[in-house]
Amino acid sequence: SSELTQDPAVSVALGQTVRITCQGDSLRTYFASWYQQKPGQAPVLVIQGKNNRPSGIPERFSGSSSEDTASLTITGALAEDEADYYCNSRDSSGNQVEFGGGTKLTVL
Amino acid sequence: QVQLQESGPGVVKPSETLSLICTVSGYSISSGYYWVWIRQPPGKGLEWVGTIYHSGSAFYNQSLKSRVTISADTSQNQFSLRLNSVTAADTAVYYCARGSTGTTAWFDPWGQGTLVTVSS
Repeated sequence: SSELTQDPAVSVALGQTVRITCQGDSLRTYFASWYQQKPGQAPVLVIQGKNNRPSGIPERFSGSSSEDTASLTITGALAEDEADYYCNSRDSSGNQVEFGGGTKLTVL
Repeated sequence: QVQLQESGPGVVKPSETLSLICTVSGYSISSGYYWVWIRQPPGKGLEWVGTIYHSGSAFYNQSLKSRVTISADTSQNQFSLRLNSVTAADTAVYYCARGSTGTTAWFDPWGQGTLVTVSS
């Protein structure tokens, strides 16, 4: 079982702002990274570290962290943002990698 | 542009060995980064399987450690996964990816994934 906890499902109205969270003790030591996965496709990195967007990722995606919780915020959600979102981090030992269980985002 | 492509059998019999290869193009695996296998059972979440550095140093998911081996062939710019004694629980889409070497673990890009079904 994952040591990073995510809400299984979150919804947001089109154009509004949504925050997806990831909680775990390891996040007190390590930053999280975030991935977007659409049906039938491989995950895509959207945020890594404190708040770093890879090339090609829209500015509406941002990341933040506080104590044991990392957050992915989508400001002005679009229909195309409907997807599963996963966080990951090193575990507390630093030697293993763990993923959150994923959050299914629905854009209404 | 870095690209990764998984290849290998789509069906493996129970108790046998799952073997997959990831071919990397657009970047030499000898130049750095970690190289990673991640899997996703149908309808479920992502699970890190293990990581290898071009030097050959490898790190495995503790839950799979006794059954998994990851190796690299720098001459072919490939790295591979072997998982022994498979069961139905190993049925998953297997992804290879490039990973960071820093304290923040991130993976980018990913291969398209290959579905491996364990079935007799």
